[in-house]
Amino acid sequence: GEDVEQSLFLSVREGDSSVINCTYTDSSSTYLYWYKQEPGAGLQLLTYIFSNMDMKQDQRLTVLLNKKDKHLSLRIADTQTGDSAIYFCADRAGTALIFGKGTTLSVSS
Amino acid sequence: DAGVIQSPRHEVTEMGQEVTLRCKPISGHNSLFWYRQTMMRGLELLIYFNNNVPIDDSGMPEDRFSAKMPNASFSTLKIQPSEPRDSAVYFCASADRNTGELFFGEGSRLTVL
Repeated sequence: GEDVEQSLFLSVREGDSSVINCTYTDSSSTYLYWYKQEPGAGLQLLTYIFSNMDMKQDQRLTVLLNKKDKHLSLRIADTQTGDSAIYFCADRAGTALIFGKGTTLSVSS
Repeated sequence: DAGVIQSPRHEVTEMGQEVTLRCKPISGHNSLFWYRQTMMRGLELLIYFNNNVPIDDSGMPEDRFSAKMPNASFSTLKIQPSEPRDSAVYFCASADRNTGELFFGEGSRLTVL
């Protein structure tokens, strides 16, 4: 079945850039998503990219999509301590979303 | 809108007991999803409904799990009998019919002793 893979942990210093990577297997994906989960809370949509785009920028967030390699990345510029959370990559499979296991981003001051 | 509302937020029960988790989706959303989150397996899709009809329940782990959506504003996920390995956070999400964006509830943390 469809699979979404992410590295589990990333640790950065405040002010640095963070890059979270994701690979997926479904070549027919139309949208790919990044969700953020803060402790004790549900997931919130951060951003998404349509599959015919290579890049999408939204303030401090940059999403890069390499459709040939089925690779998606999320770059957070000027990372802040408030960015510490779990970040999930998700691929649309029909109506449902299939999520990766999530990358825990730890930001130290 | 209040968002997706789940109850209870926390449930501690003993092995063998029945557990019922509840979800109220966002009004106007026509798709509803139940996910389970554990450290080991991440977020797993259990089942989803379109227009109150179950579409894909292949993620439901076994017959002890059942889900219903009797109307557009309410869904339940039931585990009977519960087992310690069912301990997890269970999320309900509903989808905007136009954009497909998923909106998550805050989850129900289940502990089965």
